[in-house]
Amino acid sequence: DAKTTQPTSMDCAEGRAANLPCNHSTISGNEYVYWYRQIHSQGPQYIIHGLKNNETNEMASLIITEDRKSSTLILPHATLRDTAVYYCIVSNFGNEKLTFGTGTRLTIIP
Amino acid sequence: DVKVTQSSRYLVKRTGEKVFLECVQDMDHENMFWYRQDPGLGLRLIYFSYDVKMKEKGDIPEGYSVSREKKERFSLILESASTNQTSMYLCASSWVGGRGHGETQYFGPGTRLLVL
Repeated sequence: DAKTTQPTSMDCAEGRAANLPCNHSTISGNEYVYWYRQIHSQGPQYIIHGLKNNETNEMASLIITEDRKSSTLILPHATLRDTAVYYCIVSNFGNEKLTFGTGTRLTIIP
Repeated sequence: DVKVTQSSRYLVKRTGEKVFLECVQDMDHENMFWYRQDPGLGLRLIYFSYDVKMKEKGDIPEGYSVSREKKERFSLILESASTNQTSMYLCASSWVGGRGHGETQYFGPGTRLLVL
């Protein structure tokens, strides 16, 4: 599996867009980028995934660079409930296993 | 909504005890997973199962075994609990779908196990 690099922690003001970066420079052509988050004392929650096109759903947007070596998760209007650890994961073709790193601890500041 | 439930939120056991952690999912998912989570180490995969009675070792299977007799239920067994197995245990399930779908895992709330 390709490895990912994320900042250890980030702060964002409530109501502003939170932009969480992820580097995955060794990603291969058939690997997807997944984002999960884990709110304190809960199990991880799926947010979004993509291959090479930008994706948007009700929770977030995912921007993947053209060379696919990095991506950014965007929470457009962060709320206090978005305070969590965010995991960026890339997944091998045909491999159902996900390798979670240590993620980015995002704190939303009132 | 997918629901993954775990038998206990908190559990306290003594060294040497046999411990069973149960996980049940209600969405007919083929895949089920057991992870442990420790501070600074993130989530680490212990075992997973892609079908009834099938199992595969994850990254840290030592000291654990699993059982999947029914599709909806996946059990993690600590044959003889040790203090270094004190951890948060998370169960997950996923659907075997088209590319990019099977990796969407749904997690339970976790079991915080303390081994004394």
